Amino acid sequence: GAVVSQHPSRVICKSGTSVKIECRSLDFQATTMFWYRQFPKQSLMLMATSNEGSKATYEQGVEKDKFLINHASLTLSTLTVTSAHPEDSSFYICSAKPILTGPLDEQFFGPGTRLTVL
Amino acid sequence: RKEVEQDPGPFNVPEGATVAFNCTYSNSASQSFFWYRQDCRKEPKLLMSVYSSGNEDGRFTAQLNRASQYISLLIRDSKLSDSATYLCVVTPPTNDYKLSFGAGTTVTVRA
Repeated sequence: GAVVSQHPSRVICKSGTSVKIECRSLDFQATTMFWYRQFPKQSLMLMATSNEGSKATYEQGVEKDKFLINHASLTLSTLTVTSAHPEDSSFYICSAKPILTGPLDEQFFGPGTRLTVL
Repeated sequence: RKEVEQDPGPFNVPEGATVAFNCTYSNSASQSFFWYRQDCRKEPKLLMSVYSSGNEDGRFTAQLNRASQYISLLIRDSKLSDSATYLCVVTPPTNDYKLSFGAGTTVTVRA
């Protein structure tokens, strides 16, 4: 099956630092990747849609200058949390939609990155 | 009002029992419907799509009621490995592949 990796899986940082999270599709190409955030006992919330070669589209309420997204190739999207604060502590998950999809139009999720900002 | 609402549970059931739960969605024009499974601190994984006519995959049965805007999942002959949080997922009519997730229903199957 299609595999998506995320790196790092866990990061602990001090308030004010920037953190970069990578999302890679390992065995397929994805023109579109999605970034989600999940707080404890809450649903995954879509933050932004990342399109290869163009600017990301952010959901309402998500600051684009705070969460920088770069989709540099068909297999890599990065999310940078700039000047992270404790309220940014969350589980960040990416998903990738293959260019060639089956009948379910399935997206494949990365294993997530747990960010803790002290 | 949230786009997708679920009873958080938890549903605690013995092995072999049947457990069922629903999810409601607010946008009547929603296009596609799914159940995902999420284990603790892991990514969600697709369990099954939900079709208008209802569909079954082994011990799992999903139903869609468009008139009342709800989706259901039924698990028969529960196994210990079915313990997880089940996420109801809906796509809007915008055809942009965005997924709207419910907060999940937690099921715990005990021996």
